[in-house]
Amino acid sequence: GAVVSQHPSWVICKSGTSVKIECRSLDFQATTMFWYRQFPKQSLMLMATSNEGSKATYEQGVEKDKFLINHASLTLSTLTVTSAHPEDSSFYICSAEDDGAYEQYFGPGTRLTVT
Amino acid sequence: GENVEQHPSTLSVQEGDSAVIKCTYSDSASNYFPWYKQELGKGPQLIIDIRSNVGEKKDQRIAVTLNKTAKHFSLHITETQPEDSAVYFCAAPSPPDKLIFGTGTRLQVFP
Repeated sequence: GAVVSQHPSWVICKSGTSVKIECRSLDFQATTMFWYRQFPKQSLMLMATSNEGSKATYEQGVEKDKFLINHASLTLSTLTVTSAHPEDSSFYICSAEDDGAYEQYFGPGTRLTVT
Repeated sequence: GENVEQHPSTLSVQEGDSAVIKCTYSDSASNYFPWYKQELGKGPQLIIDIRSNVGEKKDQRIAVTLNKTAKHFSLHITETQPEDSAVYFCAAPSPPDKLIFGTGTRLQVFP
C-alpha cells in the first residue's frame, strides 16, 4: 500500500517552454501532497504544500507564478514549471500524506533538464 | 521552528557489520520520526518510523531508537548487505503538516 507515482520520470525541454509533472496517489486518498526539489548530493528542499481544493502554500523564496501547483482531486496534484530556464534543471519529487499525521510517501521523482 | 541535524554525512562499513546513524531535533513537542532510504535516481522510501509514545521499534534488520529527553533518535542497521548502500534521511515534524529533513547520510557497504 501507500504507492505514489509520478509522470514523467524524466523530461528534457527547451528554455522558455513549460513542463507539467503529475503526482498520483494510487491506493489511497491524499488530502495533502508536497512538492520537493533536490539538487545532487543534497537533501530535500520543500517547495510547496498542496491541499485538495485550495491554493498551494509556497515556501519562502519559491516563486508561485513560476511553479504552478494544482491539486484538483484527492489522488492527483500537478506541478507546472513555467518559462523554464536551465537553472530550473533539477530532480523534482512529490509526496502524499497518508492517514497518519506527517506520514509521507514519496513518488519516484522527475528529472527535469532544461536546455 | 524545528531543526534537524544528522550525523555522520558518510559511513562505510564491511558487509555484515552494523551501521548507526544519529539525528537530533530541537522541538521537544515533536512526536513523529521517520527514516527514509533513497537509492540513486529514485525517490525516498519510508523504511521505518517511530512515534514518541515508544522508545524503540524494530523491523527485521532495522531499528529506530528514540531518546526524548536528549532529543535524538537513531537508525540501526544490523548485518548490513551491499543492497543497504544508499542515502538515508531522518526527519522530524514541523506543524501543521511538514517534515524537516536531515542532511542525509551516504552509507556504503563493502562486500
